[in-house]
Amino acid sequence: NAGVMQNPRHLVRRRGQEARLRCSPMKGHSHVYWYRQLPEEGLKFMVYLQKENIIDESGMPKERFSAEFPKEGPSILRIQQVVRGDSAAYFCASSPFTGRGEQYFGPGTRLTVT
Amino acid sequence: DAKTTQPTSMDCAEGRAANLPCNHSTISGNEYVYWYRQIHSQGPQYIIHGLKNNETNEMASLIITEDRKSSTLILPHATLRDTAVYYCIVRTPQGGSEKLVFGKGTKLTVNP
Repeated sequence: NAGVMQNPRHLVRRRGQEARLRCSPMKGHSHVYWYRQLPEEGLKFMVYLQKENIIDESGMPKERFSAEFPKEGPSILRIQQVVRGDSAAYFCASSPFTGRGEQYFGPGTRLTVT
Repeated sequence: DAKTTQPTSMDCAEGRAANLPCNHSTISGNEYVYWYRQIHSQGPQYIIHGLKNNETNEMASLIITEDRKSSTLILPHATLRDTAVYYCIVRTPQGGSEKLVFGKGTKLTVNP
């Protein structure tokens, strides 16, 4: 039973480019969460999605960031016009249903903006 | 969700029990205590959770005081691979926000 998969594991982008981070939840899981960990800082919630719906985006920066979880395929976190401050580890988690609090995390994507 | 307080760091000898405390004095009746850990550079890993009864699984035991104002995560026989940051999180599992709010956690170092 494969765990949460994220790709790419490492991503380098120049300032102004776009970054696309993908997350495939565990089989049977329909809830996806994205978290960001800035260097030497704690994990911060960004967004919570169910299939085709954004449920809670209270942690998403107001500009340049968007997320989707389509009916088919992985969840995508998209960062437009990246800046150096976007350099961080981005973790995706999934859960089978709401409310249990047991979220299963992927290995993360490390984004470096040069 | 209630706030938690954890020591910044702890050390433990390999093979001994690691006891990680967490204070959550403002916890409300329907809030659960969850523990996660993050081994260096990896994604966080769920460990255990409980409401008021003590819980045990293959990874750890969770002891919650009778007044529920504090809890202790116990790793019975710590190994070097248990070196990680351990997070205690209090949240309502139903009907509330689904997000996990991570504090600074406790950096546990298991020494040979």
